[in-house]
Amino acid sequence: GQSLEQPSEVTAVEGAIVQINCTYQTSGFYGLSWYQQHDGGAPTFLSYNGLDGLEETGRFSSFLSRSDSYGYLLLQELQMKDSASYFCAVREHNQGGKLIFGQGTELSVKP
Amino acid sequence: NAGVTQTPKFQVLKTGQSMTLQCAQDMNHEYMSWYRQDPGMGLRLIHYSVGAGITDQGEVPNGYNVSRSTTEDFPLRLLSAAPSQTSVYFCASRALRGQGNSDYGYTFGSGTRLTVV
Repeated sequence: GQSLEQPSEVTAVEGAIVQINCTYQTSGFYGLSWYQQHDGGAPTFLSYNGLDGLEETGRFSSFLSRSDSYGYLLLQELQMKDSASYFCAVREHNQGGKLIFGQGTELSVKP
Repeated sequence: NAGVTQTPKFQVLKTGQSMTLQCAQDMNHEYMSWYRQDPGMGLRLIHYSVGAGITDQGEVPNGYNVSRSTTEDFPLRLLSAAPSQTSVYFCASRALRGQGNSDYGYTFGSGTRLTVV
């Protein structure tokens, strides 16, 4: 089975950079994903790392190191609207690649 | 495109009642799944399907049934509701094969908030 660990809460100020870490224990997976969720609404897809290294999408970047069983989401130029919960998730090595989530990190952006 | 549509948005059940949560997607996605979200627990996979006629169990399948008769629909049935099934339920879908990293993203419905009393 899979196990993903994230910090439960992170606080940062507007305009700053914040990194949300995700460590995992897994028997094998296709890739690491990140999702954003505002106020219990529908989670929305942010990024996917199938290979080791950095993926950049605008203000958001995501990183994966399989050798370290570690990934992170980097948010730059923080805005108040970035206050949300962020989830890492792994797509398992099995039929269809089911997606297993971490427990989420609540990010609070302060003025 | 409507994306993933879940109905109802809210539901209150009495213990022992049964009901079906509906999920439909119009993106021709092969993969569909159901999650429940409880405070501090993240999203936990209930059941999933990789195509019509194929379903499998996730992390927390007990008390729930699913079927996949068409590509578009993936209903979740609560057989005999219990207070422990009070939760927010999300349906999600994805194409099985993608070209780039963005194709590996799952599209979620807006959720069904279920209370069992």
